[in-house]
Order: sequence, then C-alpha cells, then structure tokens
Amino acid sequence: DGGITQSPKYLFRKEGQNVTLSCEQNLNHDAMYWYRQDPGQGLRLIYYSQIVNDFQKGDIAEGYSVSREKKESFPLTVTSAQKNPTAFYLCASTARGALNTEAFFGQGTRLTVV
Amino acid sequence: GDSVTQMEGPVTLSEEAFLTINCTYTATGYPSLFWYVQYPGEGLQLLLKATKADDKGSNKGFEATYRKETTSFHLEKGSVQVSDSAVYFCALGAGNNRKLIWGLGTSLAVNP
Repeated sequence: DGGITQSPKYLFRKEGQNVTLSCEQNLNHDAMYWYRQDPGQGLRLIYYSQIVNDFQKGDIAEGYSVSREKKESFPLTVTSAQKNPTAFYLCASTARGALNTEAFFGQGTRLTVV
Repeated sequence: GDSVTQMEGPVTLSEEAFLTINCTYTATGYPSLFWYVQYPGEGLQLLLKATKADDKGSNKGFEATYRKETTSFHLEKGSVQVSDSAVYFCALGAGNNRKLIWGLGTSLAVNP
C-alpha cells in the first residue's frame, strides 16, 4: 500500500544532541513538508520541498535542517540550536503543490528532551 | 496574507447531537478548502474538500459548503458518534508557494 512512513514513533533527545527524524513516501509525490504540532498551536510549517534537491524554510525553521536528495525521502534534523524541541512532528506529502490536492500525513514522531 | 480562523474548542457533545465547527478564511484568488481530522496519537487524514465556490464536500456524514460570499467553510454533521471524537482542522490551499494554510484545530469530544 502506498503511504508515508515516519520513524521512530517516539524519540528521546539529551540536551545538546542533534537527532534526525525519518520520513519516507512511496506515493511518487513531488512535494514534502515538515510540521511541528504543539498543544493549542495547530500545525506550524518548519520546512518544505517542492522538488528533489530544493527546499524552503517555513515559518519556524530556526534550529532545524533538512535534505531532499531523493524524491522518496525528506529527513528532518533537530539541532542543538533548537531550544524547545519537545513536540509532535508530522511529515506530509502532496502530488504537487498543495493548491487543490490532498496532503497525506505520516503517523508522527513524538520527540522529548530528557 | 492568507489565513484561516476556526472556532476554538474544546467542543463537548452528547452522542447523536448536531455538530457545527465554524471556519472562515482570508485569501486572494480562489483557494481550495479542506477539513482534516486527527485521531489521538495519529497523523492527519483528509475528511473532505471543496475546490470552488458553492461546492459541497462530504464524507462519513460530515458536510461543508464553500461559501465565497461569507468566506466560510463550516463543518457540519447531523448526528455525532463517540468515534467522531478527534481534533478537526480547517485548511486552505492557495498562493504561488502552494502551501496549505492551517487553522488552529478544534477538539471534539462526544460522550455516550
């Protein structure tokens, strides 16, 4: 079945560590997105990529980095510069831009700083 | 800029009650409008969508009509079930950057 897979489901990070969240899709979608979800704040866009080898900052990119070396993969690194990384992270993809097409979401990764 | 405003929650209803979750938007041009649902601990799923004015999206008993004159896309269901308990997000797709713009989400709890 086609879909979008995030791993791990739960992730614990020590202070000062970088961690990488995985996002893989087999939907042949061009566009991929990373969102952060905090209680009461809805979805906030971190980074997005409309095509391989290209990506743009979203609204809260500071302290995060991404790469898009393959169409199927869009990993997110949470760096030590991100001061409050504890949150639920969601990856999504769309066939092209999100103008009128459905966004497919992964099941999310819950990141906790310990 | 483009924006979405949806009613704050939480909303608590008894089973079989009527549901309305309000959503209004601001956008240039002709956006597409979406409702997504998020069940506890999961990602979001598309519930319904409408791509032009006066379109009605419907799915699983939920409906929403794209009203350009009132810039609204309110979600309704005639008789909610306990299994409808979730967070509902209104979103619009618009603009040259082709991103989705999200509302803050409305939490719905349905009691038996």
